[in-house]
Amino acid sequence: DSGVTQTPKHLITATGQRVTLRCSPRSGDLSVYWYQQSLDQGLQFLIQYYNGEERAKGNILERFSAQQFPDLHSELNLSSLELGDSALYFCASSRTGELFFGEGSRLTVL
Amino acid sequence: GDSVTQMEGPVTLSEEAFLTINCTYTATGYPSLFWYVQYPGEGLQLLLKATKADDKGSNKGFEATYRKETTSFHLEKGSVQVSDSAVYFCALSDRTGNQFYFGTGTSLTVIP
Repeated sequence: DSGVTQTPKHLITATGQRVTLRCSPRSGDLSVYWYQQSLDQGLQFLIQYYNGEERAKGNILERFSAQQFPDLHSELNLSSLELGDSALYFCASSRTGELFFGEGSRLTVL
Repeated sequence: GDSVTQMEGPVTLSEEAFLTINCTYTATGYPSLFWYVQYPGEGLQLLLKATKADDKGSNKGFEATYRKETTSFHLEKGSVQVSDSAVYFCALSDRTGNQFYFGTGTSLTVIP
């Protein structure tokens, strides 16, 4: 158990819809990272937050947004969903220069 | 910019065979290097790490040595087991320790 909690574990929705994925980092970790893992593109970094502020942005689409709340949990919002957004979405937290990953949220867009 | 290149898979080995998964990196300064493992249906777990040149990380029979002269961090195991079947990711963190870069992952299947 990494200590990083992600919900929901599985989500099935339709094209055009919007979903929110939630992440609770390990206790005391200030940094949260979001990654997308799809079959053909490996692990793609989306965005990083540190203590509520956006720290770095990777290959995140404009239809996607994220935030980190004062209690340090984070949410990733995916809107106008397309079939190609089907993937595993991982959250990771860091404090000591290592990343600790949650078990992921598997999103299926039909 | 910083990046990681690792051996393409998939790799299929018989039980007790020797494993090497190659990983090379490009980075400014002195990054930390990691191997993560992802078992089927699970998230990524840290397997081992090395934070400076010539350091050897080891865990569960796996080893990797931080080679600055060849910018490499190859993963090795002397005798693989069926339970080692997973996807292995090489990664680095930049000198700030805040940014992480992952390789594309190498799928390993070990057959009895």
